[in-house]
Amino acid sequence: DQQVKQNSPSLSVQEGRISILNCDYTNSMFDYFLWYKKYPAEGPTFLISISSIKDKNEDGRFTVFLNKSAKHLSLHIVPSQPGDSAVYFCAANSYTGNQFYFGTGTSLTVIP
Amino acid sequence: EPEVTQTPSHQVTQMGQEVILRCVPISNHLYFYWYRQILGQKVEFLVSFYNNEISEKSEIFDDQFSVERPDGSNFTLKIRSTKLEDSAMYFCASSPDRGKVTDTQYFGPGTRLTVL
Repeated sequence: DQQVKQNSPSLSVQEGRISILNCDYTNSMFDYFLWYKKYPAEGPTFLISISSIKDKNEDGRFTVFLNKSAKHLSLHIVPSQPGDSAVYFCAANSYTGNQFYFGTGTSLTVIP
Repeated sequence: EPEVTQTPSHQVTQMGQEVILRCVPISNHLYFYWYRQILGQKVEFLVSFYNNEISEKSEIFDDQFSVERPDGSNFTLKIRSTKLEDSAMYFCASSPDRGKVTDTQYFGPGTRLTVL
C-alpha cells in the first residue's frame, strides 16, 4: 500500500533555475511531512519539514508547500546548484504512530 | 556534529545464516528505528524502539527479526535465518523524542546486506 507517492522518478534542471519536486499522500491522518536528501552510499539526511498546521515552510533555498485538501506537498529549490544533485525522499508521519512512510524518491540532477 | 554510525558497511552472508547489524545512535536520543531499502525501491519502516521495548513494527518485521539495545550505546538488528529477499540496505535512525518539533529522525549511512 503506497501511502506516499513520488510520481517522478527523475528530474533534470539547469543550474540557477528552480527545482520542484512533488509528493502525494493518501492517508488523511498524516500531519507531519519531511523531505530527506540522499547521496549514493549514504543514509537519508533530513532537509526540511512541515507540520499540517502550516502550508509553507522556508529554509534558505528550500521551501516546502503543503496543500492538505489535495494531499500534496512540494519541495522548491531555488536557485538549484550542482551539489543539490541527489535522490529526494518525501516522508510522512501521523500523530498515531512514530514510523515514517517514505515515497520512492526522485533523483534530481542539476546540470552546470 | 553527532551522527548515527552503523557497522559493518557491507555484510555478505549465506542464506539461512544469522546476521547482526549494529548501530550506535546519537547519544542523547531516546527513539531508535530500523528501515530497509531494497535496491530501486522505497525506504521501508521495520521497527521503532523506545525505553527498551518495541513501540511499533511493520508487517515486514516478522519472527525472524529481533532488535536489542544490549548496552547504553548500541542498537542491533538480528535476522535469524536470512533469505535471499532480505538483501537490502538497512538504515538505523534515531530521534531525540516523540514531540513533533523534534521528531526528525537522523539516519546512519546504512549496512548493505547481501544474502547469497
